[in-house]
Amino acid sequence: SAVISQKPSRDICQRGTSLTIQCQVDSQVTMMFWYRQQPGQSLTLIATANQGSEATYESGFVIDKFPISRPNLTFSTLTVSNMSPEDSSIYLCSVEGGTVYGYTFGSGTRLTVV
Amino acid sequence: ELKVEQNPLFLSMQEGKNYTIYCNYSTTSDRLYWYRQDPGKSLESLFVLLSNGAVKQEGRLMASLDTKARLSTLHITAAVHDLSATYFCAVSRMYSGGGADGLTFGKGTHLIIQP
Repeated sequence: SAVISQKPSRDICQRGTSLTIQCQVDSQVTMMFWYRQQPGQSLTLIATANQGSEATYESGFVIDKFPISRPNLTFSTLTVSNMSPEDSSIYLCSVEGGTVYGYTFGSGTRLTVV
Repeated sequence: ELKVEQNPLFLSMQEGKNYTIYCNYSTTSDRLYWYRQDPGKSLESLFVLLSNGAVKQEGRLMASLDTKARLSTLHITAAVHDLSATYFCAVSRMYSGGGADGLTFGKGTHLIIQP
C-alpha cells in the first residue's frame, strides 16, 4: 500500500494566523483527500484534490478557509487560514490504495489554536 | 446525502466475551471499510468489503457486508485487552469509474476491553 508522509505532526498556532500541512506519497495517485477530525469526533471529508484542477470541497468547507494545492501526482498541501480555536483538530490526508488495502491515511497533524 | 450510522458508540466489555458492532448506511454504495484508531494515532485499515455477502476475518475480528440491508458488522470473538481502540466504519460514495471518491465515516465505536 502507499506510504504517506505528513507534516507537521503537530503545531500550536496563534489565532488569526495560517498553517500549511504537507502530504507526500511514495507513489503517483490521481486523487488525494483531506479530512478533519475534531476532538473526540469522527472524520469529516474536507475536500478532494485532483492534480491539474481545483479541489472539490464538501458542504461546509470553502476554499478561502482551506486552500489546497496539488502541484503533482505525489504531493498536496492543505492550508488552514485565519485560524480560530474552533479549527483545533487533527487534519489527515488520504489516498485510495485499491481493493486490497483500501484508503491509506497519513499520520495526521494535530493542530491547536490558542 | 450518504449517512453512516454506527452502534454502539461506546462499549465496555470483559476479556473473553464476544460482541458485534453494527454499521448502517443510507444509500447504495460500492464499498465499505473498517478502520481502527488508537489514541493519538492515525487510522489503521482493517477490512475492505467489496460485495454483498463478503466476509473477512483477521484474528479475533470478522467483518461482513449485506448490501441489500445496507448493513455491515464487525464481530469480536473472545476479546482481549489489546483490541481496545476506536473502530470506524466508512463508506465510499458510488464509485464513479473515473476515480476514487472520499469516505463518509460513522461516528465510531469506542471499545474498552477490561481484563
